[in-house]
Amino acid sequence: EAQVTQNPRYLITVTGKKLTVTCSQNMNHEYMSWYRQDPGLGLRQIYYSMNVEVTDKGDVPEGYKVSRKEKRNFPLILESPSPNQTSLYFCASSFDTTGPYGYTFGSGTRLTVV
Amino acid sequence: AQSVAQPEDQVNVAEGNPLTVKCTYSVSGNPYLFWYVQYPNRGLQFLLKYITGDNLVKGSYGFEAEFNKSQTSFHLKKPSALVSDSALYFCAVRDTNAGKSTFGDGTTLTVKP
Repeated sequence: EAQVTQNPRYLITVTGKKLTVTCSQNMNHEYMSWYRQDPGLGLRQIYYSMNVEVTDKGDVPEGYKVSRKEKRNFPLILESPSPNQTSLYFCASSFDTTGPYGYTFGSGTRLTVV
Repeated sequence: AQSVAQPEDQVNVAEGNPLTVKCTYSVSGNPYLFWYVQYPNRGLQFLLKYITGDNLVKGSYGFEAEFNKSQTSFHLKKPSALVSDSALYFCAVRDTNAGKSTFGDGTTLTVKP
């Protein structure tokens, strides 16, 4: 089944403890992206990647890191999480950004930083 | 720059009635337009897209959307709403000259029995 897999689904952590949210897609998509969803703020893009070893900042990149060493994986790293990073996070992928392709989203990761 | 506006945070309809969720967009070139649906505790799911051609696009679960170039709109419609259609709906736009998609803030649709 074509899908984007995020792990974990739920995560509670303490301020300052480094964490990684994994994202993997099995569709050979070139484009991958991370979003956070907060009430009243819609979807805000954190980072995106046009291809392997190519990443760029989205609208709200502060406090986050990403890497794209392989085409299928795009992990989101929080080096020193803070309570304002408590949110619902989504990974998304698309075949590319030049054609009429929609996004496939993961099921989400609900992160709580205490 | 491109942008999307969903002017209604909330839309309420009675089951069996027609529904419309509004979306307007702004792009410098020609648009690709998308609708996604998010059910509680789930990720966004693709509903339908407009590429070119026929202004009325049909998608999943009986939804359709009407592209209106002069009004720069792409409203989502369904002739007869179901309670199970209650969800959060996102409109997205991308310029055909490439780039990433821009999402609206979402509209919560509530269908009451």
